[in-house]
Amino acid sequence: GAVVSQHPSRVICKSGTSVKIECRSLDFQATTMFWYRQFPKKSLMLMATSNEGSKATYEQGVEKDKFLINHASLTLSTLTVTSAHPEDSSFYICSARTDVTEAFFGQGTRLTVV
Amino acid sequence: KQEVTQIPAALSVPEGENLVLNCSFTDSAIYNLQWFRQDPGKGLTSLLLIQSSQREQTSGRLNASLDKSSGRSTLYIAASQPGDSATYLCAVNDYKLSFGAGTTVTVRA
Repeated sequence: GAVVSQHPSRVICKSGTSVKIECRSLDFQATTMFWYRQFPKKSLMLMATSNEGSKATYEQGVEKDKFLINHASLTLSTLTVTSAHPEDSSFYICSARTDVTEAFFGQGTRLTVV
Repeated sequence: KQEVTQIPAALSVPEGENLVLNCSFTDSAIYNLQWFRQDPGKGLTSLLLIQSSQREQTSGRLNASLDKSSGRSTLYIAASQPGDSATYLCAVNDYKLSFGAGTTVTVRA
């Protein structure tokens, strides 16, 4: 199957700093990428949908100024958590696909804000 | 808005027993449904994908059925093993993927 690489897998940052998470489709061109957040023992919550070259579409309740998403190319999307606070600590997962049939997931990033 | 429900939330069985995991969804206008496995602290591993036109998919000891009209899917795992212990998530694709909360499975040796 197609491979989606997410980096870093773990990151610890100080409160007030920004953190960037990368999501790359290694062997296919991803027209659409999705970013999810997972709270402990909870399911995945869709944060935003991004299409290459367009502004991301955020789900209700997700702060677009805090969670900046850039989908600059067909193989790369980034999520930047700005001015991170401890409540932003979570597991973030990206997903990429070329059409509506199947989505491929990265391995996730564990963000801890101290 | 698509709502996805998974029952039971947790399941503990002795090794060798068959597992039955249920997933229900509210809007039947879907492209497909996917079952994933998630180990603690890890990402998602895709197990099976069923297109909306299909009734079931099989891979090894895994079999997933789909009844789109009633909004239900079932994942069967035959002859469970301790290595099957994980959380199993179903996701419904109606352009966006909507996930259930998962079923956490423990297989006792």
